[in-house]
Amino acid sequence: EPEVTQTPSHQVTQMGQEVILRCVPISNHLYFYWYRQILGQKVEFLVSFYNNEISEKSEIFDDQFSVERPDGSNFTLKIRSTKLEDSAMYFCASREGSANTGELFFGEGSRLTVL
Amino acid sequence: GEDVEQSLFLSVREGDSSVINCTYTDSSSTYLYWYKQEPGAGLQLLTYIFSNMDMKQDQRLTVLLNKKDKHLSLRIADTQTGDSAIYFCAESRPTGKLIFGQGTTLQVKP
Repeated sequence: EPEVTQTPSHQVTQMGQEVILRCVPISNHLYFYWYRQILGQKVEFLVSFYNNEISEKSEIFDDQFSVERPDGSNFTLKIRSTKLEDSAMYFCASREGSANTGELFFGEGSRLTVL
Repeated sequence: GEDVEQSLFLSVREGDSSVINCTYTDSSSTYLYWYKQEPGAGLQLLTYIFSNMDMKQDQRLTVLLNKKDKHLSLRIADTQTGDSAIYFCAESRPTGKLIFGQGTTLQVKP
């Protein structure tokens, strides 16, 4: 069964360092998303991406964050200068059809720990 | 507001039915979802329902939707210890993003 894959599964970094989290969405999917979940809290929307551009972003997704689809398969989330409060599980998700239809598939997540 | 509300904790005995409730806010939501998250793991899509439906059944899972009251429930029949997890409901906005509830921890006692 096709799945969304994310790497790394866990990354530990020092405050102020740049981090890139990688995702490989399901191959025929067109809509891509990043969500995050701070430990013990709800899952929060960060950004959606379609047709090589951001279609929507939340207040959390400030200038420290960026997303990119550098080739036909990867979808990355970059945090330029990490802060302690960026420690969270980051989930990538993808969807096949138009923005508000059907199944949204999530990856297993990348746990980011900022020291 | 954007709040999706769920009760935080539910404890049932193995073999009983579990009912997890959720209220949402946006009447324009077209899909409503239930995800399961086991400890340290990702979000597993359990089921989803289109907003013009009242009910959807999938094996042991039954989803009920009351669109007038913006109330969604997930019933798990014959609950097993392997069902112990956190269950998130989520509503989809017209842009496609999901708004999640805070999750209900289901504890299944043998």
